Amino acid sequence: GAVVSQHPSWVICKSGTSVKIECRSLDFQATTMFWYRQFPKQSLMLMATSNEGSKATYEQGVEKDKFLINHASLTLSTLTVTSAHPEDSSFYICGWGGRETQYFGPGTRLLVL
Amino acid sequence: GDSVTQMEGPVTLSEEAFLTINCTYTATGYPSLFWYVQYPGEGLQLLLKATKADDKGSNKGFEATYRKETTSFHLEKGSVQVSDSAVYFCALSDQGGSEKLVFGKGTKLTVNP
Repeated sequence: GAVVSQHPSWVICKSGTSVKIECRSLDFQATTMFWYRQFPKQSLMLMATSNEGSKATYEQGVEKDKFLINHASLTLSTLTVTSAHPEDSSFYICGWGGRETQYFGPGTRLLVL
Repeated sequence: GDSVTQMEGPVTLSEEAFLTINCTYTATGYPSLFWYVQYPGEGLQLLLKATKADDKGSNKGFEATYRKETTSFHLEKGSVQVSDSAVYFCALSDQGGSEKLVFGKGTKLTVNP
């Protein structure tokens, strides 16, 4: 149980375009979910916390107009990187809040050229 | 703010060797502590947790003890297997684990036959 999918797993895009990353919980429902970002040899950094039906809460230093979060339902959330630039290249991971732990997706690697 | 420091990798061991991955933390309150494991191509999975001082978390032969006096939560396994090859993340949460997590940088473990 507690399977989370992310799509796409890999994306390469041109600078200035927007990229949408989808995160689904396949066999459970959760109200709260999280988006993380991971740079090479760095820890996962929380970008934002999102509750279904509410606006996301962004961590300090994360641009909410650049990283748009749509928490559509108890099983689906999307992260859109708008007007992507090379510095947005990273590994993005979603996590759903369970009772005692979070359940994570396998991650999406974004490369902006 | 809260932070987690874990030993730099990568760590390479032979099968049946003893494993220790060090983790220390800084937190203002009394956090819950976690070890997550990420196998190749998969999302992070909870390996074990401890919610108060002197608690020992254990799972799949791995153990870690919550040491408040040394602010540590070192991961140990007496005899590693090739299937233990993965990236291990130490993390803390002030809110029980289903909420915001602060991660260490991760330690990549490779076990050779």
